Amino acid sequence: GESVGLHLPTLSVQEGDNSIINCAYSNSASDYFIWYKQESGKGPQFIIDIRSNMDKRQGQRVTVLLNKTVKHLSLQIAATQPGDSAVYFCAEKGQGNDMRFGAGTRLTVKP
Amino acid sequence: NAGVMQNPRHLVRRRGQEARLRCSPMKGHSHVYWYRQLPEEGLKFMVYLQKENIIDESGMPKERFSAEFPKEGPSILRIQQVVRGDSAAYFCASSPQEGFNEQFFGPGTRLTVL
Repeated sequence: GESVGLHLPTLSVQEGDNSIINCAYSNSASDYFIWYKQESGKGPQFIIDIRSNMDKRQGQRVTVLLNKTVKHLSLQIAATQPGDSAVYFCAEKGQGNDMRFGAGTRLTVKP
Repeated sequence: NAGVMQNPRHLVRRRGQEARLRCSPMKGHSHVYWYRQLPEEGLKFMVYLQKENIIDESGMPKERFSAEFPKEGPSILRIQQVVRGDSAAYFCASSPQEGFNEQFFGPGTRLTVL
């Protein structure tokens, strides 16, 4: 399944399927991006990051894709599991000190 | 190695009271960031501090809110004369040094103003 982040804040997928969560970022000068996972009642947890000089980075079951031309970031989760159910935020960091977070996408994995 | 600690985890205040939120960064981290999160929204940056210095408070409301990170002890986010609109989750994050991009988040303090 796919999500367009701010415009489709909820994504529901079947266990074992691949998930794609999308994010449009705002600042073309941003040079570092992170995906965070936030479970209910907890703080954000780092998943994967990517610098602006890259267009793809892979981790364990997760891949982040960066398209600077259209200022778009995506998170792909392979073989989604019930434990992946959470809200996922993309965050961008430019020259300043703060991370700017998107509104998030709620991923629900159905067993 | 304990992560970022925040207390209290839940705080209830009546309108007009003061709220004090504490954050102890990870061991060895000297940079602290505070964020606010409203329900079903992303985190909004409030303030960035190093030991004894406020580096960037561009996200902090001009009135009633203040933050400090003393030489000894935790970072404190203080909200005076709380109003219902202050109800939110407040997260603290820390990093080891300037220019280090990844921030490690605490579990948050959920403030409810009655």
